Amino acid sequence: AQTVTQSQPEMSVQEAETVTLSCTYDTSESDYYLFWYKQPPSRQMILVIRQEAYKQQNATENRFSVNFQKAAKSFSLKISDSQLGDAAMYFCAYRTRSAGGTSYGKLTFGQGTILTVHP
Amino acid sequence: NAGVMQNPRHLVRRRGQEARLRCSPMKGHSHVYWYRQLPEEGLKFMVYLQKENIIDESGMPKERFSAEFPKEGPSILRIQQVVRGDSAAYFCASSPPRQGLAGSSYEQYFGPGTRLTVT
Repeated sequence: AQTVTQSQPEMSVQEAETVTLSCTYDTSESDYYLFWYKQPPSRQMILVIRQEAYKQQNATENRFSVNFQKAAKSFSLKISDSQLGDAAMYFCAYRTRSAGGTSYGKLTFGQGTILTVHP
Repeated sequence: NAGVMQNPRHLVRRRGQEARLRCSPMKGHSHVYWYRQLPEEGLKFMVYLQKENIIDESGMPKERFSAEFPKEGPSILRIQQVVRGDSAAYFCASSPPRQGLAGSSYEQYFGPGTRLTVT
């Protein structure tokens, strides 16, 4: 079974600064997806960024980028030029890409990291 | 294009009552997933359904919980004889068929969640 671990329960950053959230995972599979989701106080889950394991290039979405280290099973999220609206709980998640098994489809989430942004 | 709809948003039940949570997926989506989020925790997978079929229910408690996704109408998560430990936020997500037409076949779109409180 796959597991996802976020070792930072809370992080804080000054507005306009950069912060990195950590995530490690454990899997025996070679083909999978990794995600970062944001959950603001409204509790709506919002997809921030996605990485396909077969791609060596790190994904980037505007101010959000990842550092994907497949051999180390590490998937960190970097938020540049932090904004007050970035304050939220952030979840790292894993999903298999193998279409054959019944585990295809389900997301396995980490415990989450609460990000506080100071003005 | 309306997003994933869940209702009710808030549900209060006394111990021993039944709770019914509804999820209407996005248009064109035929896959539905249910997740549970206990206070201060990440989301945990419960069940994965396609129209009229349960694909993976490995995360569902063996007793009192059931889910369905009929040919017509929303997906229903049913909890019988609720207990205080069932108090949580229940999220539904949907995705298009694997060879997807509406959006990416690997992205799950989340609803706003139903917060269940058992008194």
